[in-house]
Amino acid sequence: NAGVTQTPKFRVLKTGQSMTLLCAQDMNHEYMYWYRQDPGMGLRLIHYSVGEGTTAKGEVPDGYNVSRLKKQNFLLGLESAAPSQTSVYFCASGALGQLSYGYTFGSGTRLTVV
Amino acid sequence: AQSVTQLGSHVSVSEGALVLLRCNYSSSVPPYLFWYVQYPNQGLQLLLKYTTGATLVKGINGFEAEFKKSETSFHLTKPSAHMSDAAEYFCAVSEESLGNRKLIWGLGTSLAVNP
Repeated sequence: NAGVTQTPKFRVLKTGQSMTLLCAQDMNHEYMYWYRQDPGMGLRLIHYSVGEGTTAKGEVPDGYNVSRLKKQNFLLGLESAAPSQTSVYFCASGALGQLSYGYTFGSGTRLTVV
Repeated sequence: AQSVTQLGSHVSVSEGALVLLRCNYSSSVPPYLFWYVQYPNQGLQLLLKYTTGATLVKGINGFEAEFKKSETSFHLTKPSAHMSDAAEYFCAVSEESLGNRKLIWGLGTSLAVNP
């Protein structure tokens, strides 16, 4: 009954370092999403995926890359971290054809870039 | 494109008072509407949703919302606030385009409950 699991929960990076955030869901959901949350700016969609092997850009994709090699996993990569990427990152998933169901969210990753 | 407006980024109420969080949306088709709650240092969880049918929707923790098509609103209410209701609340509308589905989010309303 895990739902959506994000790892790690916290991370501090130096400018220019790279890292990968992992999102795993056990609900067999087709759709997966990466958001960032910043004070006063709500949730902004970074990238999303409508199925295994597919990805698409959201509102704020610059500086991030994603991969969905397995249906249950959605990875978010930062190739060269910048202080502007300091944020809380949330992963979410949703079921195919179930617009009315909403999303299931992970508990977030708090990333600080110094 | 659809949009969601939450009036008031911060709302403060006294314990036991009525909670009213406002949400207006723009949509050219009948919408699916959602309210999510985010407690401090946690992810978002679904509070309630409107899909079809009854326009007054009941959710968890005593919250409810009413879909008013004529006003394009989906305001969230709770008759009596509790300290544990202090959280961030997000309104969202579901959008589907070219087979891809997304939720369009409001900016959120932070609810403070004073003793």
